[in-house]
Amino acid sequence: QKEVEQNSGPLSVPEGAIASLNCTYSDRGSQSFFWYRQYSGKSPELIMSIYSNGDKEDGRFTAQLNKASQYVSLLIRDSQPSDSATYLCAVKPTSGTYKYIFGTGTRLKVLA
Amino acid sequence: EPEVTQTPSHQVTQMGQEVILRCVPISNHLYFYWYRQILGQKVEFLVSFYNNEISEKSEIFDDQFSVERPDGSNFTLKIRSTKLEDSAMYFCASRERGGPDTQYFGPGTRLTVL
Repeated sequence: QKEVEQNSGPLSVPEGAIASLNCTYSDRGSQSFFWYRQYSGKSPELIMSIYSNGDKEDGRFTAQLNKASQYVSLLIRDSQPSDSATYLCAVKPTSGTYKYIFGTGTRLKVLA
Repeated sequence: EPEVTQTPSHQVTQMGQEVILRCVPISNHLYFYWYRQILGQKVEFLVSFYNNEISEKSEIFDDQFSVERPDGSNFTLKIRSTKLEDSAMYFCASRERGGPDTQYFGPGTRLTVL
């Protein structure tokens, strides 16, 4: 059974701090990794995708991938109260499948 | 910016009734998906659809469920004989053929089965 694991939180950080969100996955052959943000009652909204080992930066967001450790993380710099949401890690397992497997999400609370 | 749309936003039905959830994927996308999210739980894959046929389905997607692309724009999920446990948010997603395999999600339909 392919799994994606996230700490459900809540993760509380003060405004302006760096929030660090982590995700592990079980399928070693996974190739594509995604971070989505989900506000309560809303649909997942894509933040970033990452496919290669290392860091990928987009504005205040940095995704980090370590395939050897089967680990993906998302850093949010200069956290804002509007960043308060649930962050979903999604993994597309080994090629040949079309689906994403989602983690349960980490709830982030940015305190003003 | 193109986006996936879904109707209705909220559907209330009686147990045992049939419902059809509708989605309009992004126009140049060729892969379509349905996911569901029971309140407080993770987003779960139901089915993927490409070239007018199901390409993959989960164990959740049993004979109670069916999908269809009745015309060039709509993509539907039919749930026959709804059960209380079908109450959930249902998300449609789409992605383009080739290029990054990023899926874009619609706003969802909240299905409430009474």
